[in-house]
Amino acid sequence: DAKTTQPDSMESTEGETVHLPCSHATISGNEYIYWYRQVPLQGPEYVTHGLQQNTTNSMAFLAIASDRKSSTLILPHVSLRDAAVYHCILRVAQGGSAKLIFGEGTKLTVSS
Amino acid sequence: GGIITQTPKFLIGQEGQKLTLKCQQNFNHDTMYWYRQDSGKGLRLIYYSITENDLQKGDLSEGYDASREKKSSFSLTVTSAQKNEMAVFLCASSIPGLGHAEQFFGPGTRLTVL
Repeated sequence: DAKTTQPDSMESTEGETVHLPCSHATISGNEYIYWYRQVPLQGPEYVTHGLQQNTTNSMAFLAIASDRKSSTLILPHVSLRDAAVYHCILRVAQGGSAKLIFGEGTKLTVSS
Repeated sequence: GGIITQTPKFLIGQEGQKLTLKCQQNFNHDTMYWYRQDSGKGLRLIYYSITENDLQKGDLSEGYDASREKKSSFSLTVTSAQKNEMAVFLCASSIPGLGHAEQFFGPGTRLTVL
C-alpha cells in the first residue's frame, strides 16, 4: 500500500503560518492526497484534499509538488484551536470503492 | 448536515469475551467503515461496506466480524478480546465511488480489556 511520512511533531505560536510537510514517494496517478486533523477524544475531521493542483479552502492551503511525491499543508495565522494531530493520507481505490491509508500524523502544538 | 453515533462510548471487556460495537449514521451514505486506532498511531481499516448487506475486509480484519444490517447502521464484533488490549474503534461513512469523497467520522468507542 502507498504510505506517507510526516514529522512526529511541530511547534508553533499563535498568529504564525505553519507548514506541515508530507512525503508520499510511492503515490500512484489516481490516488488523492487527503488531510484530516484529530483532537483528543474525537474522530478525525476533514481539512482538505487534492490530486495534482494546489487547493485552498477556509481552513488551509494545500501545496502539491509537481511530481506529486510530496505535499505541504499550510495553516495561516494559527490559533489555539488549531492544535491537533494532522494526518496526511492517501485515498486509494479498492474493490469499486476507496480506502484511506493513514500514517501516524504530525502533532501540532500551538502556544500563546 | 448529519451525524455519526457510536455506542457504547466506553467498553470494558474480559479476555476471551465477544464484544459488539454499533454505529449509526444519518447522512444517507452508502459506504461505511470501521477503523482501529492504537494510542499515538494512525488508523487501520478493519472492515468496510459499500452498501447494505455488503462486507469487504480491510487490512486488519482477522479477529473481527462485521454486519451491515441496514443502510444506516454498521456493527463490529471483536470475536475474542485479547488481555490488556486497549484501542479506539472509529466508524466512518462516505458517499460511494472513486472520486473525491469526504469521510465523516464518529467519536469512537474506547475498548479496554482486563
